[in-house]
Amino acid sequence: QKEVEQDPGPLSVPEGAIVSLNCTYSNSAFQYFMWYRQYSRKGPELLMYTYSSGNKEDGRFTAQVDKSSKYISLFIRDSQPSDSATYLCAMKSAQGAQKLVFGQGTRLTINP
Amino acid sequence: EPEVTQTPSHQVTQMGQEVILRCVPISNHLYFYWYRQILGQKVEFLVSFYNNEISEKSEIFDDQFSVERPDGSNFTLKIRSTKLEDSAMYFCASRIGPWGTSNEQFFGPGTRLTVL
Repeated sequence: QKEVEQDPGPLSVPEGAIVSLNCTYSNSAFQYFMWYRQYSRKGPELLMYTYSSGNKEDGRFTAQVDKSSKYISLFIRDSQPSDSATYLCAMKSAQGAQKLVFGQGTRLTINP
Repeated sequence: EPEVTQTPSHQVTQMGQEVILRCVPISNHLYFYWYRQILGQKVEFLVSFYNNEISEKSEIFDDQFSVERPDGSNFTLKIRSTKLEDSAMYFCASRIGPWGTSNEQFFGPGTRLTVL
């Protein structure tokens, strides 16, 4: 079983739709959960960060972590064409470890 | 806004040649990283660097790879003898402090390495 799994898509939705992006993971040591956005030919840019379980909201973006199911989600409300990008989930275990473990990324297109 | 910069943006080299990829992390950051992304695959961790030494490295980071912070501003990744499978986008990243106190890891735009 892969450590982090993410459906690569591509995912195409109309402008204004609610988008749901998901990742599952197998390593129960993961405590830090992140969503990055990556535009073509650019580096990953941090969108949302959550420690342990729960929800976090920032504007149109909501991140959810369900540690019991080893499942994380990113919701985008009122999606805009400028949200079109690849979205990467990333995780890190607790103290000591430095590395982020990434999902494969989901390519999202928002159609005007 | 401060940002991580990387040079060159694209490097083409012959198999067996040495390459050095350069990064300038954000100036007050203390933790430095290299990741790579082979086309169509995941972003993969290579190495982390703190206090002038490697703090963690992956299985990918073998004896062919080395990192250095030669002058207090640059952070370099050297591949001694490149292989075809080293062709990838290489991302540098930096953080201001340890996890738990600061949780944003800033990534540079990447260097595309092509090994022929």
